[in-house]
Amino acid sequence: GAVVSQHPSWVICKSGTSVKIECRSLDFQATTMFWYRQFPKQSLMLMATSNEGSKATYEQGVEKDKFLINHASLTLSTLTVTSAHPEDSSFYICSAREGGTRETQYFGPGTRLLVL
Amino acid sequence: TQLLEQSPQFLSIQEGENLTVYCNSSSVFSSLQWYRQEPGEGPVLLVTVVTGGEVKKLKRLTFQFGDARKDSSLHITAAQPGDTGLYLCAGPSGGGADGLTFGKGTHLIIQP
Repeated sequence: GAVVSQHPSWVICKSGTSVKIECRSLDFQATTMFWYRQFPKQSLMLMATSNEGSKATYEQGVEKDKFLINHASLTLSTLTVTSAHPEDSSFYICSAREGGTRETQYFGPGTRLLVL
Repeated sequence: TQLLEQSPQFLSIQEGENLTVYCNSSSVFSSLQWYRQEPGEGPVLLVTVVTGGEVKKLKRLTFQFGDARKDSSLHITAAQPGDTGLYLCAGPSGGGADGLTFGKGTHLIIQP
């Protein structure tokens, strides 16, 4: 099956610093990648949709200047949390889709971010 | 964004028992998906249902999509400790959004 990886798997940073999370589709070309956030004991919430070569589409309430998304190639999308604060601590999960909306999204293993 | 309500939120039962988890919405979905998520990992797709009334089986798991495509259920027969996890239903967000809307999930614990 399709494999999606994320790096790093966990990161601890100081408040005010920026953190970059990578999402890679290992054995397929992902025309669309998605970024989700999951707080403890809660479900996944879609943050943004990223299409290769174009600007990301952010969900309501997600600050695009704080969560920078770059989808520079068909196998890589990055999420940069800028000027991180403790409330940004969460589990960030990406997913990738090879084709149109009827295609399956494959999820990465997630990145645990802890901001001190 | 279309909303999905899952119930129960928490369920703890003994090994060997049967259980059903529900996923309901007031909106019609073109498809619904069920995922299972282990702590500290991403969700893993179990099944996608696309046709109203559709029933799919995956070993001891039976998934059903409602006739009106507004609800779905997951039934587990003879639950085992390995079934423990967070079960999530999800569907297309709709309204122009391209991602998935997830239910809040059912935390399932199967006690040996």
